[in-house]
Amino acid sequence: AQSVTQLDSHVSVSEGTPVLLRCNYSSSYSPSLFWYVQHPNKGLQLLLKYTSAATLVKGINGFEAEFKKSETSFHLTKPSAHMSDAAEYFCVVSEGNYGQNFVFGPGTRLSVLP
Amino acid sequence: DAGVIQSPRHEVTEMGQEVTLRCKPISGHNSLFWYRQTMMRGLELLIYFNNNVPIDDSGMPEDRFSAKMPNASFSTLKIQPSEPRDSAVYFCASSLIGADYEQYFGPGTRLTVT
Repeated sequence: AQSVTQLDSHVSVSEGTPVLLRCNYSSSYSPSLFWYVQHPNKGLQLLLKYTSAATLVKGINGFEAEFKKSETSFHLTKPSAHMSDAAEYFCVVSEGNYGQNFVFGPGTRLSVLP
Repeated sequence: DAGVIQSPRHEVTEMGQEVTLRCKPISGHNSLFWYRQTMMRGLELLIYFNNNVPIDDSGMPEDRFSAKMPNASFSTLKIQPSEPRDSAVYFCASSLIGADYEQYFGPGTRLTVT
């Protein structure tokens, strides 16, 4: 069975400093991994995805993540935080037929301080 | 493209009433998903359809919940009778089978049962 752990429920950074949101997964097969972002009272938007191609994945808004199979991790990073990055971030693992069985992590709330 | 469309955006109803949530997937997508988001349980997959056929409904909480997809462009999630513990945000998502599994989310319906 697959599962996702997001190690921090809340991360607070200052504007212009790096962002690191941690994600570890458990999967029986070669998983697909995603990061989604949810701004307050909004739907979820895909930031980036890993689907067995390059292990370093670049996404929108300057975010990137590195798939490390040996560590079963898929941490999300950004070199310089912006106020608009404040949101809830979800790490997702999928497997099964057509990779449709999405399992969401509990989420990490990112606060960006001026 | 208009994206995934959900209606209503907000619904307030009394316990015991029937509630129907609606979803229009992105044109051309052939998979549709219903999720529920609560503070206590996070994001949970309720049911998903491939080519209008329900594939996995193991996440549907109980018999009070039912979902249909009569055609490729419309789906409903019905709760009858509704209970206060059904209060949550319900998301619909759609995807194209085989296209790297990416799911596109609607804005959600915030349901409050009093």
